[in-house]
Amino acid sequence: SAVISQKPSRDICQRGTSLTIQCQVDSQVTMMFWYRQQPGQSLTLIATANQGSEATYESGFVIDKFPISRPNLTFSTLTVSNMSPEDSSIYLCSVGDTDTDVYGYTFGSGTRLTVV
Amino acid sequence: GQQVMQIPQYQHVQEGEDFTTYCNSSTTLSNIQWYKQRPGGHPVFLIQLVKSGEVKKQKRLTFQFGEAKKNSSLHITATQTTDVGTYFCAGYNYGQNFVFGPGTRLSVLP
Repeated sequence: SAVISQKPSRDICQRGTSLTIQCQVDSQVTMMFWYRQQPGQSLTLIATANQGSEATYESGFVIDKFPISRPNLTFSTLTVSNMSPEDSSIYLCSVGDTDTDVYGYTFGSGTRLTVV
Repeated sequence: GQQVMQIPQYQHVQEGEDFTTYCNSSTTLSNIQWYKQRPGGHPVFLIQLVKSGEVKKQKRLTFQFGEAKKNSSLHITATQTTDVGTYFCAGYNYGQNFVFGPGTRLSVLP
């Protein structure tokens, strides 16, 4: 299964600023997803990052707030823009390949964001 | 939209006791996956179930998919301290994305 490097692992940011989170995968993958997980809670899908096209956002998430780039099949970034304390959460990228029935979806180690 | 529920929310067991978490979907699923997330870690894939009534085993873990493909269960026999974590089910329907349940947090007392 794929191996993901996600950076940064954690950050403390001032409100009103932006943070870009990076995910690098060791192999080419078609599907890449971005999730938010508040402490002790489940995972909520933010968007699906598609290579060569705009990301597809879930209800409640908009491109202006969470712009996503997917320049190639091994890399994606998620930016959390104009941050407020409510954006404090863990952000995870996830990838799936053709063997998702065997390997499932692989998650990055997460970015723990605190907005002050 | 599709909703996935899990019970219980928390479970505290003595080491050696069995543990079961149940997952229920508001709609019929194409397949279901189970993940384990250790404290401070990220979700790790355990298994996928596809067929109605399917049962799969991984050592002390037994996974079952209901006949109607709307519910699933994960049973751990003789829990160990290494089983500590949150267990998530994620339900999938064709053309949609996986929807994660709220998880069951398992603590194992030595």
